[in-house]
Amino acid sequence: AQTVTQSQPEMSVQEAETVTLSCTYDTSESDYYLFWYKQPPSRQMILVIRQEAYKQQNATENRFSVNFQKAAKSFSLKISDSQLGDAAMYFCALTGNQFYFGTGTSLTVIP
Amino acid sequence: DVKVTQSSRYLVKRTGEKVFLECVQDMDHENMFWYRQDPGLGLRLIYFSYDVKMKEKGDIPEGYSVSREKKERFSLILESASTNQTSMYLCASSSAKAGGPGEQYFGPGTRLTVT
Repeated sequence: AQTVTQSQPEMSVQEAETVTLSCTYDTSESDYYLFWYKQPPSRQMILVIRQEAYKQQNATENRFSVNFQKAAKSFSLKISDSQLGDAAMYFCALTGNQFYFGTGTSLTVIP
Repeated sequence: DVKVTQSSRYLVKRTGEKVFLECVQDMDHENMFWYRQDPGLGLRLIYFSYDVKMKEKGDIPEGYSVSREKKERFSLILESASTNQTSMYLCASSSAKAGGPGEQYFGPGTRLTVT
């Protein structure tokens, strides 16, 4: 069975500071992909960043980067220079034959 | 601009009613998905489809069925709505083309209340 665990239901960060959201996963597959999605309040879910498991280099997208530790099955998201618009629910997801989502982390950005 | 649309943002139905949730994508994607989202449970996959007239059960298919008669449209059916099906329903689509599992594009969601 494949599982995705987000152990932080809620997080907060001061504007302009850095925050890290945690995600651990379990899979028996050797070829898989990991994703972070963002769901702003009352708005559609959008992709933040994607990581191929066969790539050792951590993915980055502007202020968003991941720390992918394959052996530890850990996939954390770092948001640098946090902005008010980063406030949202963040979901970690794993693909195998299907997409498996974590339970989400609600991020609050404090002005 | 890519788009996934869902027929209703809010829906209120009575117990026992048959409910249809419609999803349409304009990106010519092969894959389409239906999830339900509940607080503290994240997103759980109900059904998915890799092609027209194809369907596969997800983690929680009980009480639901789906229909995909055209590539762009994927319908979720609640045969006899129950109060425990009150939830947010999200539709998504993705491309099956090269490069591994593609990004899923999500619709705005339908908040269904069954009374």
